[in-house]
Amino acid sequence: DQQVKQNSPSLSVQEGRISILNCDYTNSMFDYFLWYKKYPAEGPTFLISISSIKDKNEDGRFTVFLNKSAKHLSLHIVPSQPGDSAVYFCAASDTNFGNEKLTFGTGTRLTIIP
Amino acid sequence: DSGVTQTPKHLITATGQRVTLRCSPRSGDLSVYWYQQSLDQGLQFLIQYYNGEERAKGNILERFSAQQFPDLHSELNLSSLELGDSALYFCASSVYTLAPTDTQYFGPGTRLTVL
Repeated sequence: DQQVKQNSPSLSVQEGRISILNCDYTNSMFDYFLWYKKYPAEGPTFLISISSIKDKNEDGRFTVFLNKSAKHLSLHIVPSQPGDSAVYFCAASDTNFGNEKLTFGTGTRLTIIP
Repeated sequence: DSGVTQTPKHLITATGQRVTLRCSPRSGDLSVYWYQQSLDQGLQFLIQYYNGEERAKGNILERFSAQQFPDLHSELNLSSLELGDSALYFCASSVYTLAPTDTQYFGPGTRLTVL
């Protein structure tokens, strides 16, 4: 059972425009959410996170939005740059009782078109 | 470069064999995590060690085992290998505070191919 879902396997966006990556989750116990970025032949790199007590977190060009009632989060990248081309993974965690296990989605491949 | 190293980068072996994957965490990190990524799947959590002790277990098969040594490096042992074990295996590490929100830093992975 896939508890974290990224329904778009790929996304193409023109350079300078906004990239929006989406993620849905089913486990209502998840209270901490992260986005990781992965280049070929490298491991995932942490990008940004959000706690369930917030609905938005911003870091430079990256903003994550959380809609708890819809069990949905999204990552906005503005403006998109060629170096943003990568696979983006959404991950979630139930931090109760000190649990550190991350549950990942299957990833969305973002391609920025120059 | 995350500071997490994994060896080997690639491993090709036959069904029924046993292999050992090695991970060195970032300097100062006491927690080590192992994840498996099969084709077109997300990363699946296998197991976590903290300062030499097993801390959490995911969907790790009984044929798989892991340990963390006193120098904090970790090894993942996979035995009686099957074709379905072919995957990318990632190691991650995090700092020692044991806060669930500690960032996990990932190594480049070991690509295992079972023929």
